[in-house]
Amino acid sequence: EVQLVQSGAEVKKPGESLKISCKGSGYRFTTYWIGWVRQMPGKGLEWMGIINPGNFDTRYSPSFQGQVTISVDKSITTAYLQWSSLKASDTAMYYCAMGTRRPYDAFDMWGQGTKVTVSS
Amino acid sequence: DIQMTQSPSTLSASVGDRVTITCRASQSVNSWLAWYQQKPGKAPKLLIYKASTLESGVPSRFSGSESGTEFTLTISSLQPDDFATYYCQHYNNYLGTFGQGTKVEIK
Repeated sequence: EVQLVQSGAEVKKPGESLKISCKGSGYRFTTYWIGWVRQMPGKGLEWMGIINPGNFDTRYSPSFQGQVTISVDKSITTAYLQWSSLKASDTAMYYCAMGTRRPYDAFDMWGQGTKVTVSS
Repeated sequence: DIQMTQSPSTLSASVGDRVTITCRASQSVNSWLAWYQQKPGKAPKLLIYKASTLESGVPSRFSGSESGTEFTLTISSLQPDDFATYYCQHYNNYLGTFGQGTKVEIK
């Protein structure tokens, strides 16, 4: 069974760093690009960026370029979303997702979400 | 950066109604357009991809269409399980943008 399983909820202070994870299983990990989607409390979905786990090619939305880092560790079939210095405005639910018909496609597979709370 | 303008933001409807949601892209997305349904506290669920292809397992009352850069999601006869928020998303050229979302409420 193809699955994306995300790491657990995080509570952090402004200025702290954070790396959340998304582990893929049940398929060849390098086949499909993995994306990250933000959903702030009570708000809509925002496409943050995607990464090719095979060659590490990464594309960011202009809104998130320079604000986060997307990476992968192929050896443990895991994708990451990372912040070097969190802000209160990073408080949100973060989903990883991928499409399984083509290398990059509509997201038919989603992780369960990771809730990030940033508060002093 | 392609912008996706979705309307309406909220829609009040009754069970059995025909519902239409529209999404306009700021430039061509070459039919790489998806529709998702999201319920509170849940991850989004893919309904339609490539503008008009129904995802496996999705009821046939859902359909998608396109005309140039304008895309439409239609629910032919609204069912109680369909009250949710719907999003369009383009996924052209290894990028993506979601529309602002449409909340379908009970009238």
